[in-house]
Amino acid sequence: GAGVSQTPSNKVTEKGKYVELRCDPISGHTALYWYRQSLGQGPEFLIYFQGTGAADDSGLPNDRFFAVRPEGSVSTLKIQRTERGDSAVYLCASSPTGTGGSGELFFGEGSRLTVL
Amino acid sequence: GIQVEQSPPDLILQEGANSTLRCNFSDSVNNLQWFHQNPWGQLINLFYIPSGTKQNGRLSATTVATERYSLLYISSSQTTDSGVYFCAATGNQFYFGTGTSLTVIP
Repeated sequence: GAGVSQTPSNKVTEKGKYVELRCDPISGHTALYWYRQSLGQGPEFLIYFQGTGAADDSGLPNDRFFAVRPEGSVSTLKIQRTERGDSAVYLCASSPTGTGGSGELFFGEGSRLTVL
Repeated sequence: GIQVEQSPPDLILQEGANSTLRCNFSDSVNNLQWFHQNPWGQLINLFYIPSGTKQNGRLSATTVATERYSLLYISSSQTTDSGVYFCAATGNQFYFGTGTSLTVIP
């Protein structure tokens, strides 16, 4: 696609529910990143994919968070047993190359998650 | 990971004024980007600038990698320049600063 696409743009859920957030990167971009941004803060790194594999998942806060990218394109961020503290904007970015080569990052518009 | 510090944290300008935003980073980086986050939350790419100087209209940026800092210059500011400006530096992944919140008043 022309840009990074994220769905849903807004998600309201209840505490304890399961949530999936989807990211469709720019066509041909091999690297995909998930970030989380809370109000008044800069984006916080969660996980980075190079192709299908998670090259760095050191930012995932706990085992309730999981992400996949099975075919090296679309990625899904999965959050189990959501908590109110998970409320944030979840940002996805893609890059034509990964770190090391460190290509330019392009961000989607984000998915705003609210946990009641 | 790399520490990224931005200054000033907040800035209020009269329309037409110039400003300089600074980004310091704690270690050698492969690359550096500047972003503008608009009021709707979208992160817009401004510059991809691991070193040297680039200009795009009223905006320009300079990165001095050996001294671990980057500067973003905004000239003749407009109200549409308002928002938060982030720099992000790459080690193993992109580390973001906490941003500079810019308000341009008419």
